[in-house]
Amino acid sequence: DAKTTQPNSMESNEEEPVHLPCNHSTISGTDYIHWYRQLPSQGPEYVIHGLTSNVNNRMASLAIAEDRKSSTLILHRATLRDAAVYYCILRDPGGSQGNLIFGKGTKLSVKP
Amino acid sequence: ETGVTQSPTHLIKTRGQQVTLRCSSQSGHNTVSWYQQALGQGPQFIFQYYREEENGRGNFPPRFSGLQFPNYSSELNVNALELDDSALYLCASSFGASPGELFFGEGSRLTVL
Repeated sequence: DAKTTQPNSMESNEEEPVHLPCNHSTISGTDYIHWYRQLPSQGPEYVIHGLTSNVNNRMASLAIAEDRKSSTLILHRATLRDAAVYYCILRDPGGSQGNLIFGKGTKLSVKP
Repeated sequence: ETGVTQSPTHLIKTRGQQVTLRCSSQSGHNTVSWYQQALGQGPQFIFQYYREEENGRGNFPPRFSGLQFPNYSSELNVNALELDDSALYLCASSFGASPGELFFGEGSRLTVL
């Protein structure tokens, strides 16, 4: 399975935008890019996913590079509740649907 | 709409014992997967059940087994517990085969002494 590389940690100020990068240079043409986050003492929570085009939802935006070898999760205005570990995951639709391969993710700290 | 619920939330066992963890999937979901999350690590895939059959398994030994029931709830059983089995066990449910969203429960924290 293709792997992803994320920074171990990032800091942000409350109400400022946050850009969380992810590198996936070995991504295959059929891999979807998924983002999940895990708040302290909770299970992971789906954030967003995409294949080629940029995607927006109520939680965040996903910007995908033209060559698909990297992507960026964008939180438009960070709140204290956004402090979590963010996981970037590649998912092959032909594989077992529940099989998400999590790395260590990026721990996001948000300062008031 | 009821979310994914897991029980028990916390439990303590000793080495060599057996444990059963339970998961109720979100309403309308027919696929359940289980993950193990050691402290400071990302979750690791154990296996997945779809319509009561195991249809995917990660790198875990056979002493990790599971069941899915007709109402799509699920159990994870671990035999001959080892100290390294201490972890948060997460259940996730989803529907169908499309690469969409998984809904996770809050997990069962297992401590093996």
